Amino acid sequence: GAVVSQHPSWVICKSGTSVKIECRSLDFQATTMFWYRQFPKQSLMLMATSNEGSKATYEQGVEKDKFLINHASLTLSTLTVTSAHPEDSSFYICSARQPFSRRDSTDTQYFGPGTRLTVL
Amino acid sequence: RKEVEQDPGPFNVPEGATVAFNCTYSNSASQSFFWYRQDCRKEPKLLMSVYSSGNEDGRFTAQLNRASQYISLLIRDSKLSDSATYLCVVDLTGGGNKLTFGTGTQLKVEL
Repeated sequence: GAVVSQHPSWVICKSGTSVKIECRSLDFQATTMFWYRQFPKQSLMLMATSNEGSKATYEQGVEKDKFLINHASLTLSTLTVTSAHPEDSSFYICSARQPFSRRDSTDTQYFGPGTRLTVL
Repeated sequence: RKEVEQDPGPFNVPEGATVAFNCTYSNSASQSFFWYRQDCRKEPKLLMSVYSSGNEDGRFTAQLNRASQYISLLIRDSKLSDSATYLCVVDLTGGGNKLTFGTGTQLKVEL
């Protein structure tokens, strides 16, 4: 259980284009999903929290007009990188929060496989 | 000071060795603690939660010391397949809402 998928796995695009990344929880409903970014040799940094049916909450320093998040259903959140530039090239990872599980005794985040974005 | 600090390594150990990783966190109000494993160019995967009483899962033992704000992970009888980066993760709120990741400790298990 607790499988999260992410598409596409990787994308290469030209500077100035927009890229949409999908995150799906396959076997559970997730009212909350998260978007992270990881640069080489650095830790995952939370970009925003995506709440089903409401606006996303962005972390300090993350431009909400550049990184558009839509959480239209309990199993799908999308991140659109608008007008992408080379400095946006990174590993984007989503996660979905699964409510309290017996195994972990707390809410747990499960991660998608990530999307490697390269902007030329 | 970083919110979650780990020694980046790499730790190169022979197969069968016992290896321990440490992690410190700065916010004493942190509620939940985890170890995740991340393979190269892959997503993090939950290895285990960490409790004050200590918990064990096969060859892996995790320990939390709230007074010292210190978390540890012990791997016994290490396998080649244990080679990965181990991420110390702290949840400030305890509701799975705000995970803060360390930069990870890289482990390389060699023949």
